[in-house]
Amino acid sequence: DAGVTQSPTHLIKTRGQHVTLRCSPISGHKSVSWYQQVLGQGPQFIFQYYEKEERGRGNFPDRFSARQFPNYSSELNVNALLLGDSALYLCASSPAVQGRASQYFGPGTRLTVL
Amino acid sequence: GENVEQHPSTLSVQEGDSAVIKCTYSDSASNYFPWYKQELGKGPQLIIDIRSNVGEKKDQRIAVTLNKTAKHFSLHITETQPEDSAVYFCAASGLSGTYKYIFGTGTRLKVLA
Repeated sequence: DAGVTQSPTHLIKTRGQHVTLRCSPISGHKSVSWYQQVLGQGPQFIFQYYEKEERGRGNFPDRFSARQFPNYSSELNVNALLLGDSALYLCASSPAVQGRASQYFGPGTRLTVL
Repeated sequence: GENVEQHPSTLSVQEGDSAVIKCTYSDSASNYFPWYKQELGKGPQLIIDIRSNVGEKKDQRIAVTLNKTAKHFSLHITETQPEDSAVYFCAASGLSGTYKYIFGTGTRLKVLA
């Protein structure tokens, strides 16, 4: 069975640009969460979506937005990129939003902002 | 606020020895505690988890213990092998209605052959 997939693998942008990252969850999973992992640190929660609705938002500016599609795939958008947005962006899927179901992470998208 | 502290930040053990990583969480509402292994250039891989109604869970060479009173949980790896070398993250979750994980800062484990 395919795990969580993310695209692209790597991305280089310049300050002020915007970026769209994509995620496909494990088949049957309806919840997708996004995390930012800066080098040397643990992942930081950005968003959670379940059944196409936002269910949680972390402490990130409004430049960060996301959405979930009817097939449960998801996009993370970041506008007006800053150097500090350089990080590994991780997507995780789980079968439910409650019930303490486990989250499974994809390989991530490495974003470099120059 | 929500916080998970993880120790040590680095750990070197000889092959065959045991490794223990400890985490402390601040939010008493947390009720689910996963552990992830992250190898270079890859996403975190779930290796074991424990729920708040259980004190200990074991899966082959890996075990996790939970002390709810002290808000501590630990990962134990026995008979370590070189392929266990990676960064390990603990996390705490369970805030009502969301799957927001609060991650620890990670432990870089190096198993020396």
